[in-house]
Amino acid sequence: EAGVAQSPRYKIIEKRQSVAFWCNPISGHATLYWYQQILGQGPKLLIQFQNNGVVDDSQLPKDRFSAERLKGVDSTLKIQPAKLEDSAVYLCASSLAWSTGELFFGEGSRLTVL
Amino acid sequence: DAKTTQPPSMDCAEGRAANLPCNHSTISGNEYVYWYRQIHSQGPQYIIHGLKNNETNEMASLIITEDRKSSTLILPHATLRDTAVYYCIVRVINTGNQFYFGTGTSLTVIP
Repeated sequence: EAGVAQSPRYKIIEKRQSVAFWCNPISGHATLYWYQQILGQGPKLLIQFQNNGVVDDSQLPKDRFSAERLKGVDSTLKIQPAKLEDSAVYLCASSLAWSTGELFFGEGSRLTVL
Repeated sequence: DAKTTQPPSMDCAEGRAANLPCNHSTISGNEYVYWYRQIHSQGPQYIIHGLKNNETNEMASLIITEDRKSSTLILPHATLRDTAVYYCIVRVINTGNQFYFGTGTSLTVIP
């Protein structure tokens, strides 16, 4: 079974530039999550999708971050414009359904903002 | 926000049992306790979860106190590959299955 795929693995940009991260969840998984993990901290939930609808985006900085999952499968997380404090690993996770517990995580996309 | 408290770091001798504690004093009756671990530069990996009863799988055992205010993850025979950050998480289900991670416990297995 293929795992959660994320790209790119690494990205370096300058502040005020934009960046996009892509995630393809495990086939058949209805729920998709984006987490931000700053060095030395635990993952912080940014947004949760159930199919193509948003369940929770209360911690997403909506002035600069956006995410979509138009067809209920893969998802894109965008940052525009980036700030220095956005330097982090962006983790995507999926689960079979919102009511099931186990999350499967991808390897993450590491962003460095200079 | 995280609903759990864990010690920031622990050491364990290789081959011995690693006992990782977690406090979750505000847990609600229908909220599960989950444990994940994160090896350096990888995404978190599921270990085990439980509601009220103790649980065991091929990776670990989970002991939950009767009042459910704390739990312990037990790795019975720690190996060097178990060196990782271990997260204890209370799964919030009333608004749709969110997992809020704290800062976790950094476990170092010593040869």
